[in-house]
Amino acid sequence: GAGVSQTPSNKVTEKGKYVELRCDPISGHTALYWYRQSLGQGPEFLIYFQGTGAADDSGLPNDRFFAVRPEGSVSTLKIQRTERGDSAVYLCASSPRNGGTDTQYFGPGTRLTVL
Amino acid sequence: SQQGEEDPQALSIQEGENATMNCSYKTSINNLQWYRQNSGRGLVHLILIRSNEREKHSGRLRVTLDTSKKSSSLLITASRAADTASYFCATYTGGFKTIFGAGTRLFVKA
Repeated sequence: GAGVSQTPSNKVTEKGKYVELRCDPISGHTALYWYRQSLGQGPEFLIYFQGTGAADDSGLPNDRFFAVRPEGSVSTLKIQRTERGDSAVYLCASSPRNGGTDTQYFGPGTRLTVL
Repeated sequence: SQQGEEDPQALSIQEGENATMNCSYKTSINNLQWYRQNSGRGLVHLILIRSNEREKHSGRLRVTLDTSKKSSSLLITASRAADTASYFCATYTGGFKTIFGAGTRLFVKA
């Protein structure tokens, strides 16, 4: 079956612009995670969804970052007024129930570059 | 700060040799997972070890967990060039988060 997909694979934007990053999880997976990975670092937790609700958004760095999952499947990570420091690879992962006790299945990531 | 810290940061070995990577963490955990990331791709789950387990095997992978020392090790036996990747440990302490370390970059020379 299809794995986790993320679009776009690459996004280049200018400082101050708004961007949306999309994640299509594995069908039937209730848990969805967003991570940010900077060069040479491990994935940094941003937000976790269980179904439609954000169960833990403590990793979002500030209020410019927001994520939704309105129907409990596809999720969109939204970044307002982008800054150069937002440049990173944004990873999405899904899990059948809880990615802490289950395997997390990762997408290929979206590489965001803010000029 | 990251919960898990891998050691070494980078490792270069010859094909056929064994590779050992270590992960140390700070607080008590429910389980610990190891993931692999090939260049430019997403992470792939390798193995999960629970806090009440001491050792697990999967193919050429062997993971140990020492909760008294708050550390885990990943051993890859008879390494292959295709094992070249970054390896991350991820700790789970309950709730919803897993916390990843900075990773060990393994290079296996053919």
